[in-house]
Amino acid sequence: DVKVTQSSRYLVKRTGEKVFLECVQDMDHENMFWYRQDPGLGLRLIYFSYDVKMKEKGDIPEGYSVSREKKERFSLILESASTNQTSMYLCGISKPDEQYFGPGTRLTVT
Amino acid sequence: GENVEQHPSTLSVQEGDSAVIKCTYSDSASNYFPWYKQELGKRPQLIIDIRSNVGEKKDQRIAVTLNKTAKHFSLHITETQPEDSAVYFCSSGAGSYQLTFGKGTKLSVIP
Repeated sequence: DVKVTQSSRYLVKRTGEKVFLECVQDMDHENMFWYRQDPGLGLRLIYFSYDVKMKEKGDIPEGYSVSREKKERFSLILESASTNQTSMYLCGISKPDEQYFGPGTRLTVT
Repeated sequence: GENVEQHPSTLSVQEGDSAVIKCTYSDSASNYFPWYKQELGKRPQLIIDIRSNVGEKKDQRIAVTLNKTAKHFSLHITETQPEDSAVYFCSSGAGSYQLTFGKGTKLSVIP
């Protein structure tokens, strides 16, 4: 079974802080992603990674950056957190017939 | 880019009745249409998918239909049960491992 873990289930940060969200997978998959989920807006793709050091912007990359130095780890970085980045963040891996999600991190920016 | 519209946003049905969720997509290159179910507090999980070379697919009480000409696809749940209560997302992809999701439908099955 695929296992995807995220560093925190709940996180509270202050406006202007630098925030790191970590995602780790154990199946050596090349493709990983980050979405944010907001009520009424569904799942929106922030960034996608096809392999180590390879990244592609999704639909809403503004205010975010990513890092993929090792195949198993894909990090989402909020350089200067803002209140409109309060959301549920879901990472995971993308297989040919399925996207497998991690448990999610609920981030609150105050 | 691709745009996926999903309706309705909320749906309440009596236990035992059927539920239908409809989606439309804009990119004619899309060829893969998975549906995800997200129970409260849990991660989205794939429940069924359909590819563009097939018009209908069934798996026990759930079925998906696809009309490529009209660019719409639907999820049908028959004999609904309380455990079907969840948020359902339709999505589409074009072979690039990336999906575009609809905004979700909150299904409530009333016992």
